[in-house]
Amino acid sequence: DTAVSQTPKYLVTQMGNDKSIKCEQNLGHDTMYWYKQDSKKFLKIMFSYNNKELIINETVPNRFSPKSPDKAHLNLHINSLELGDSAVYFCASSPRYFVMDTQYFGPGTRLTVL
Amino acid sequence: GQQLNQSPQSMFIQEGEDVSMNCTSSSIFNTWLWYKQDPGEGPVLLIALYKAGELTSNGRLTAQFGITRKDSFLNISASIPSDVGIYFCAGPRDDKIIFGKGTRLHILP
Repeated sequence: DTAVSQTPKYLVTQMGNDKSIKCEQNLGHDTMYWYKQDSKKFLKIMFSYNNKELIINETVPNRFSPKSPDKAHLNLHINSLELGDSAVYFCASSPRYFVMDTQYFGPGTRLTVL
Repeated sequence: GQQLNQSPQSMFIQEGEDVSMNCTSSSIFNTWLWYKQDPGEGPVLLIALYKAGELTSNGRLTAQFGITRKDSFLNISASIPSDVGIYFCAGPRDDKIIFGKGTRLHILP
């Protein structure tokens, strides 16, 4: 059973398009995150949600809009895609909104913007 | 901003060799985390360190929390092919986890 799953695994799209990435966790965790990993493998948090509420928005452009319909799901919608959005996006979850809790990462979505 | 500096950036070793890597910061951390990312996968937590001077093992992996609280070390003994990947140090800062830029481990055939 996959603990944190993301779809799609790969996403190739044209500049200017709008796309969504979905994330689901079956661990019963309260907190979920989106991270971006650039081409140099630098991993940086974008958003965190706790019980469907936005907690951290790490100065991400407002073209990126996360949505959490319930605490098991955190989706990421990106408008007007730009070349610089190409990266691997990781979803993660943790039991609580507590920085010391272990975070469990999904397998990533590789987004390529042409 | 806060940075975690990892060294070396890349390592090329023979199977069976021992590996050492480190992570340093200009500021104090109260927790050090070591993650491993396999190719095409998300990071997985290997070891968490909570106390200065702490030495913790997980199989062939051993990590240490530096006495100054500004550094941490990860050692892998008798490397095997599945050790290939990127090793990240990480630590909590302002209610989030920040990551180093990783040490890429390559094992030569």
